[in-house]
Amino acid sequence: AQTVTQSQPEMSVQEAETVTLSCTYDTSESDYYLFWYKQPPSRQMILVIRQEAYKQQNATENRFSVNFQKAAKSFSLKISDSQLGDAAMYFCAYRSANFGNEKLTFGTGTRLTIIP
Amino acid sequence: NAGVMQNPRHLVRRRGQEARLRCSPMKGHSHVYWYRQLPEEGLKFMVYLQKENIIDESGMPKERFSAEFPKEGPSILRIQQVVRGDSAAYFCASSRDRGNDQPQHFGDGTRLSIL
Repeated sequence: AQTVTQSQPEMSVQEAETVTLSCTYDTSESDYYLFWYKQPPSRQMILVIRQEAYKQQNATENRFSVNFQKAAKSFSLKISDSQLGDAAMYFCAYRSANFGNEKLTFGTGTRLTIIP
Repeated sequence: NAGVMQNPRHLVRRRGQEARLRCSPMKGHSHVYWYRQLPEEGLKFMVYLQKENIIDESGMPKERFSAEFPKEGPSILRIQQVVRGDSAAYFCASSRDRGNDQPQHFGDGTRLSIL
């Protein structure tokens, strides 16, 4: 079974600064997908960014980028120019590429606080 | 609103009662996933359904929990004889097709409180 570990329960960053959230995972599969979801106080789950394991290039979405290290099974999220609206819980998630195993496996989350 | 709709947003039940949570997927989506989020934890997969079929129920508790996704109408997650430990947020997600490259779109969740 796959597992996802987020070792930072809480992080804080000064507004306009850069912060990196860590995520590691364990799997015996070679093909899979990785995600970062944001959950603000409203509790809505918002997809931030997605990475396919077969792609070597790190995914980027505006101020959000990932550092995907497949050999190390590491998938960190970098938020540049942090804004007050970035304050939320951030969840790392894994999804197998094997047909028949479509569920998402989530980490326990990192609570990000933005300091004005 | 063309997103995934869950209702009610909040549900309060007393121990021993039944809870019914509803999920209407996005338009054009025929695949539904249910997840449970206990306080201060990440989401845990419960069940994956296609219209009239359960595809994967490996995360469902063996007793008291059931799910359906009929040909017409929303998907229903049913919890019988609720206990305090069932208090959680229950999220539904939907996708257009089966396949691991299909993104899952989440609803806003139902917060279930057991008195």
